[in-house]
Amino acid sequence: AQKVTQAQTEISVVEKEDVTLDCVYETRDTTYYLFWYKQPPSGELVFLIRRNSFDEQNEISGRYSWNFQKSTSSFNFTITASQVVDSAVYFCALSEGSSNTGKLIFGQGTTLQVKP
Amino acid sequence: DTGVSQDPRHKITKRGQNVTFRCDPISEHNRLYWYRQTLGQGPEFLTYFQNEAQLEKSRLLSDRFSAERPKGSFSTLEIQRTEQGDSAMYLCASSPGTGWGNEKLFFGSGTQLSVL
Repeated sequence: AQKVTQAQTEISVVEKEDVTLDCVYETRDTTYYLFWYKQPPSGELVFLIRRNSFDEQNEISGRYSWNFQKSTSSFNFTITASQVVDSAVYFCALSEGSSNTGKLIFGQGTTLQVKP
Repeated sequence: DTGVSQDPRHKITKRGQNVTFRCDPISEHNRLYWYRQTLGQGPEFLTYFQNEAQLEKSRLLSDRFSAERPKGSFSTLEIQRTEQGDSAMYLCASSPGTGWGNEKLFFGSGTQLSVL
């Protein structure tokens, strides 16, 4: 069965600190996709990144970076020099590669609070 | 591109009443998804459509729930004989659906249902 675990329920940091959000997943598929979404107070989930299981290269996009390690089934997300606008709930999600549904299995989410 | 829109944003109803939510996906997106999100949890998949065909339903979708997507455009989600356990945020998402699955999803802001 597929499962995504985000063990950190809430994280609070002061602006300009770096912060890492952890994500651990379980799947029996050899082909799968991992996602991160951001949910601000407005409620709309915003796509951040998609990574397939064959691409273990880390990715950096501005202040955001992602570390994908198949050996530990983890897909962690780091925000460098956090800002107040980064405050939101962040979700890690998994999608089966063997099906064509595009259905996502979400983790419980991590609430990030960035204080000025 | 006006984004995914959902109506209403909030719905308060009494137990036993029927409610209907509407989702307008991004124009020309072939796939449409419904998710349910309870407080402190990640979204859970309910069902999805490829054009007008409903291709998968979660076991979470009891007989009291029905979803339609006539003509492959907007979609409605109806809950009959609401129960207090139905209280949640109902999220709609769409994707182009032109290739293999696992595309990124575009989410609406959701409909918050409160059953009294």
